[in-house]
Amino acid sequence: GQQVMQIPQYQHVQEGEDFTTYCNSSTTLSNIQWYKQRPGGHPVFLIQLVKSGEVKKQKRLTFQFGEAKKNSSLHITATQTTDVGTYFCAGGEGTYKYIFGTGTRLKVLA
Amino acid sequence: NAGVMQNPRHLVRRRGQEARLRCSPVKGHSHVYWYRQLPEEGLKFMVYLQKENIIDESGMPKERFSAEFPKEGPSILRIQQVVRGDSAAYFCASSSEGRSTDTQYFGPGTRLTVL
Repeated sequence: GQQVMQIPQYQHVQEGEDFTTYCNSSTTLSNIQWYKQRPGGHPVFLIQLVKSGEVKKQKRLTFQFGEAKKNSSLHITATQTTDVGTYFCAGGEGTYKYIFGTGTRLKVLA
Repeated sequence: NAGVMQNPRHLVRRRGQEARLRCSPVKGHSHVYWYRQLPEEGLKFMVYLQKENIIDESGMPKERFSAEFPKEGPSILRIQQVVRGDSAAYFCASSSEGRSTDTQYFGPGTRLTVL
């Protein structure tokens, strides 16, 4: 079945450093979403990408959707302690189902 | 503007007891998803329901687990005869149209501990 892998599984960065997480699907996706889960919290929607090669920015966060619509990335510039949490991608295949990635756990050291 | 509500937030059960988890979706949403999350792990899809219908329960164990989303009232995830391995956080999420392009709104989760 369809799988979505994320790398790295864990990332520790010094505050002010950049951070990137990558999401790879075994099949072509119709869309991809990104969610953030703070420690002890619940996933919160960040953004959705639909078009091939699409790039979207939210302040220090940059999201990309690959040309083949099989991979995506989230890049955070100059991390802050508030960026701590787990970042999940969720791939859509055009139906009701979301295939969640394995998540990347980010720790930011002050 | 209430979001997704789940209760209880924490539930402790002894082995063999029943656990009943409730989820009230965003007002106007008729599509509910249940996920299970073990500590330090990802979200595992369990079941997708529309009002009064189970659409996809492929991620839910066939024994001891059941889910419903009645015409009136919250969605219920029921775990009978709980075992220690059922200890996890259970999240429900709702969406407006039941498509993967919809935003999923997650509830705060129910953290189940089985003693």
